[in-house]
Amino acid sequence: DGGITQSPKYLFRKEGQNVTLSCEQNLNHDAMYWYRQDPGQGLRLIYYSQIVNDFQKGDIAEGYSVSREKKESFPLTVTSAQKNPTAFYLCASSIPGPLAGNTIYFGEGSWLTVV
Amino acid sequence: QKEVEQNSGPLSVPEGAIASLNCTYSDRVSQSFFWYRQYSGKSPELIMSIYSNGDKEDGRFTAQLNKASQYVSLLIRDSQPSDSATYLCAVIGDSSYKLIFGSGTRLLVRP
Repeated sequence: DGGITQSPKYLFRKEGQNVTLSCEQNLNHDAMYWYRQDPGQGLRLIYYSQIVNDFQKGDIAEGYSVSREKKESFPLTVTSAQKNPTAFYLCASSIPGPLAGNTIYFGEGSWLTVV
Repeated sequence: QKEVEQNSGPLSVPEGAIASLNCTYSDRVSQSFFWYRQYSGKSPELIMSIYSNGDKEDGRFTAQLNKASQYVSLLIRDSQPSDSATYLCAVIGDSSYKLIFGSGTRLLVRP
């Protein structure tokens, strides 16, 4: 099946630990994104990547890092510098193209809780 | 001013009624507009996209765009209890790759 796979679905992090969330897509999309959602809130952009080996900071990049070594993979590391990481993390992908609409599709999400 | 604004709701409508969800945006150069539905604890799923002024219909859903007023809306006809969810408005901002979301409107459809 084509789609976006995020893992793990649930993750617990101890204070001071780095954790990595996986995101893999087999849609052959060029662009990939990471969003964070807090309870009752909208989605906020953490990082995005338009092409392999290139990525840009979104609105809330502090305390996070990403890599884009392969077209189909865009892992997100939540570092110990992120002071309030408990949230729902969503990975997304799209075929970029403003005239085509750049429709973005989401994975199922990963819940991260600090314990 | 937030870039994309939505009333948080909840908007409560009886089953079979028309639900009207509204969204305003601040960036006049925005070109692409999307409505996503999100059930509690789940990821957003795309319902509609609209790029030109006017109405776009897909089944029970109609998206309306007015770029002069910087306003986009979603109408849901014959609302069903299964339509109860949070509806997120999203806009392509100043970058063609950056999708900006509103905080969402919670819709409750009463049986």
